[in-house]
Amino acid sequence: EVQLLESGGGLVQPGGSLRLSCAASGFTFSNYAMNWVRQAPGKGLEWVSNIFGTGSHTFYADSVKGRFTISRDNSKNTLYLQMNSLRAEDTAVYYCAKQLVTQGAFDIWGQGTMVTVSS
Amino acid sequence: DVQMTQSPSSLSASVGDRVTITCQASRHISNYLNWYQHKPGKAPKLLIYGASNLETGVPSRFSGSGSGRDFTFTISSLQPEDIATYYCQQYDNLPPFTFGPGTRVDIK
Repeated sequence: EVQLLESGGGLVQPGGSLRLSCAASGFTFSNYAMNWVRQAPGKGLEWVSNIFGTGSHTFYADSVKGRFTISRDNSKNTLYLQMNSLRAEDTAVYYCAKQLVTQGAFDIWGQGTMVTVSS
Repeated sequence: DVQMTQSPSSLSASVGDRVTITCQASRHISNYLNWYQHKPGKAPKLLIYGASNLETGVPSRFSGSGSGRDFTFTISSLQPEDIATYYCQQYDNLPPFTFGPGTRVDIK
């Protein structure tokens, strides 16, 4: 079964750091670009970051550029999101999502992990 | 970056009704447009990719059309299990991949 499982969420103070992980199973992880998408409380979906299957290219939303870093370990079938200088507005459920090979569509999603930035 | 608008922001319809949601891109994006269903507490679900292609396993009452800047998503006969928020998302070749603001669908 194709599956994504996020972990690493929690409560962190403003200015703090957190690293999210997304464990993939059931597919050849290195063949697919991966993404992070978030949903703040009461808000819509917001694309956060993308990384190519090889890890050679990364992209970020302007709202997180310079603070978040996406990475992957294809030997461990795991995607990461290092979040630094966290702000209250980063409070959200964070989802990892697998991208179709030939389309920028996200066909498999994890269940999400909650990040709360508060003092 | 491409911006997406969606309308309506919410709607209420009866079971069996035809429901239509529109999405407009700030510039031409060919058919690089996807539609997702999102229920509270669940992961979003891909319904339509490439503007009109039905994802495997998705009921045929869901459909999409359009190209360029204007796109339409239709539920041909609304079912109780379709209560959710629906999002369009553009993917103009490379990121950023922008989501529309969403349309909340309720049963009247």
